[in-house]
Amino acid sequence: NAGVMQNPRHLVRRRGQEARLRCSPMKGHSHVYWYRQLPEEGLKFMVYLQKENIIDESGMPKERFSAEFPKEGPSILRIQQVVRGDSAAYFCASSPEWTANTEAFFGQGTRLTVV
Amino acid sequence: AQTVTQSQPEMSVQEAETVTLSCTYDTSENNYYLFWYKQPPSRQMILVIRQEAYKQQNATENRFSVNFQKAAKSFSLKISDSQLGDTAMYFCASRQETSGSRLTFGEGTQLTVNP
Repeated sequence: NAGVMQNPRHLVRRRGQEARLRCSPMKGHSHVYWYRQLPEEGLKFMVYLQKENIIDESGMPKERFSAEFPKEGPSILRIQQVVRGDSAAYFCASSPEWTANTEAFFGQGTRLTVV
Repeated sequence: AQTVTQSQPEMSVQEAETVTLSCTYDTSENNYYLFWYKQPPSRQMILVIRQEAYKQQNATENRFSVNFQKAAKSFSLKISDSQLGDTAMYFCASRQETSGSRLTFGEGTQLTVNP
């Protein structure tokens, strides 16, 4: 059973371009969480999705950021018109259900660098 | 709202010795879970140990143990017989019953094990 797969591992974008980050959850997991880790900081929750539904996006910046988890395929975190401040590591985690007692498994992250 | 605080940005320990990493938290709920994650240079988030708040007994996992002081809202991690492979960033995290699998992380402590 493969773990949570994120790609790409590293992504370089120029200011103003779009960044698309992909996350394939573990097999059997229908709950996906995205976190952002700015340099020298801990992970901050961004958004929680189930298949075809955004459940909690309270941690998402109001503009330029969006996320989806379609019925088929990976979850996508999309950042439009990237700025230098978007440079960070973006982590995806998945779990089989939404309970506090359920462990969430993390991918290895995507490091986004905006130049 | 949950908050997690780690007041030690960096710590170092000699190989084979014992080190304790501190963490305090705040939560408005009675049911919650506490975690320590390890993030080595590979950036992979690895669950080290977890503690259910309703359990009085401190969790242990081989060389890793916690000192859970519920009244003081303190959750420290003790690493015994430190090994070079323990060098990593360590994050304390909490999860409330009402937030499902969503985690709140501290700022992290960079632990260096010296030979």
